[in-house]
Amino acid sequence: DQQVKQNSPSLSVQEGRISILNCDYTNSMFDYFLWYKKYPAEGPTFLISISSIKDKNEDGRFTVFLNKSAKHLSLHIVPSQPGDSAVYFCAASTVAGNMLTFGGGTRLMVKP
Amino acid sequence: EAQVTQNPRYLITVTGKKLTVTCSQNMNHEYMSWYRQDPGLGLRQIYYSMNVEVTDKGDVPEGYKVSRKEKRNFPLILESPSPNQTSLYFCASRSHRAAKNIQYFGAGTRLSVL
Repeated sequence: DQQVKQNSPSLSVQEGRISILNCDYTNSMFDYFLWYKKYPAEGPTFLISISSIKDKNEDGRFTVFLNKSAKHLSLHIVPSQPGDSAVYFCAASTVAGNMLTFGGGTRLMVKP
Repeated sequence: EAQVTQNPRYLITVTGKKLTVTCSQNMNHEYMSWYRQDPGLGLRQIYYSMNVEVTDKGDVPEGYKVSRKEKRNFPLILESPSPNQTSLYFCASRSHRAAKNIQYFGAGTRLSVL
């Protein structure tokens, strides 16, 4: 069974508006969470991360929120730009940090 | 330029014909890993290596082999490929000194097994 789930396979947003991508996890041993962005024909690239001791991490237009009690995290992109159109993967790691467990991905389309 | 290089980028083969996908990184990273990406399942880890001569299974190791004889190279070997190994494969690496588990990925290898 998937330990990290992204329940929305796709999301369409107007340029300038907020994009919210969601991720749920089941393994309470996960203590570090990452978001990766993937363009077609390229490998995933690291976007932003958050440790389980925090509930928010911000980097420019990107903010990740973590709700440990709900085992839920979200990525907010404000304002959304057409160049943000990509597949976004949520990933999680345990204390040992030897493996990354990924969600199924959400395809974001930002319309001009 | 710091990068992870995979070859080939595209490969079509037939069932049972042994193949190797190469992966090389120029960042002197200790850790390297292989993933496969399938629709709806995201990326799943096949094998990883903490350093030279140290390898371990990921979540989906069946049907794959790896070796880590040099720090920069981490080839993925399919001894007898089957159609269910048709997938998009990614190699990744990271430094043990980097923030936890931020891995750098190659551009991918699309494999079709007929």
